[in-house]
Amino acid sequence: GENVEQHPSTLSVQEGDSAVIKCTYSDSASNYFPWYKQELGKRPQLIIDIRSNVGEKKDQRIAVTLNKTAKHFSLHITETQPEDSAVYFCAASTGNQFYFGTGTSLTVIP
Amino acid sequence: GAGVSQSPRYKVAKRGQDVALRCDPISGHVSLFWYQQALGQGPEFLTYFQNEAQLDKSGLPSDRFFAERPEGSVSTLKIQRTQQEDSAVYLCASSLSPPWSTDTQYFGPGTRLTVL
Repeated sequence: GENVEQHPSTLSVQEGDSAVIKCTYSDSASNYFPWYKQELGKRPQLIIDIRSNVGEKKDQRIAVTLNKTAKHFSLHITETQPEDSAVYFCAASTGNQFYFGTGTSLTVIP
Repeated sequence: GAGVSQSPRYKVAKRGQDVALRCDPISGHVSLFWYQQALGQGPEFLTYFQNEAQLDKSGLPSDRFFAERPEGSVSTLKIQRTQQEDSAVYLCASSLSPPWSTDTQYFGPGTRLTVL
């Protein structure tokens, strides 16, 4: 089955700096890669996703890049704000199942 | 419109008790997924449905876990003879399209189960 690894597990950045979270996957059949933000005690919320026919996608301060050859994808948050503090999960899916990374706890220091 | 809802939000059970967790997906969503999220971990797949059909239950940890979606809408995850290791947040998610079309999943708020 698919194995998704996510790094780092914790990340602290100064407000206004950029944050990068990286994930790797093992199943070359995976073709959909969403990123979720989960605040403490709340549901995971989709923040951005990318499909395998695209190398990069951007939505305001958030961007995701995908390298299918290397089987890795990354989340980039620019101009971080304190409200970006949360746990972020990557996931990979072939369509039948979603496999999640173990999460990155991001803290943005004001 | 209304999102995915789950009930109860919190459940405390004594070891050996049976519990039933409910998920109301977004209206019209074909696919429904159940996940188990342990503290500090990512969601782990349990099972999914396309309408009323349970197409994959490979993630269910034991035969004490049972899920159903009899009318293709509301789903119930039942855990029999609960054990302490069952303590976790149980998340439900739904998506509009069948599973193989890889559509966005929308999560419910989860049910936090604590087994004493």
